[in-house]
Amino acid sequence: EADIYQTPRYLVIGTGKKITLECSQTMGHDKMYWYQQDPGMELHLIHYSYGVNSTEKGDLSSESTVSRIRTEHFPLTLESARPSHTSQYLCASSGTGTANSYEQYFGPGTRLTVT
Amino acid sequence: GESVGLHLPTLSVQEGDNSIINCAYSNSASDYFIWYKQESGKGPQFIIDIRSNMDKRQGQRVTVLLNKTVKHLSLQIAATQPGDSAVYFCARAADKLIFGTGTRLQVFP
Repeated sequence: EADIYQTPRYLVIGTGKKITLECSQTMGHDKMYWYQQDPGMELHLIHYSYGVNSTEKGDLSSESTVSRIRTEHFPLTLESARPSHTSQYLCASSGTGTANSYEQYFGPGTRLTVT
Repeated sequence: GESVGLHLPTLSVQEGDNSIINCAYSNSASDYFIWYKQESGKGPQFIIDIRSNMDKRQGQRVTVLLNKTVKHLSLQIAATQPGDSAVYFCARAADKLIFGTGTRLQVFP
């Protein structure tokens, strides 16, 4: 069982609100990722981090921002939520120096609905 | 909300039959491939992996085959059960994992 957590699991919020989706892992992994996934659709990488103070944009453009101040914590923020941001957001982590450094462990996801 | 990407292809199999899920890749530089299973409402979970110096790897009821000549990866599930119903993603390792489109497996009695 992977030790990666996301809160909240479900969030319904009005347009224009600022939101932060939390992601934490207790495995000491240096790499962390955020994916966006609509129901029944592909995974799209929107942000990743290779360590503290390192953040990069992913393959899919996103209006969200991320920060990595601590190894275990990788929050995602939307300054002003819009209905187009409605989706599922999945956080993942992976570690170097292990046998499977490419293997990503996923959290349960946050399902965001913006009304 | 606005949807991004393609709807997933679906494979329907009868309970007890074997399932074969396919994945094609275009980049030959990857030396590591993973299959993930994603059940409804959950994050993807690791099933099995294979390195490029192997052609086949077996797990519990699952087998992954890698054909580097045609750049094709498959996941075989033996004696498919209702609990196998999920979306299955292949991924190849680059500087990060590159995920394939995914296939929805539906198991009917």
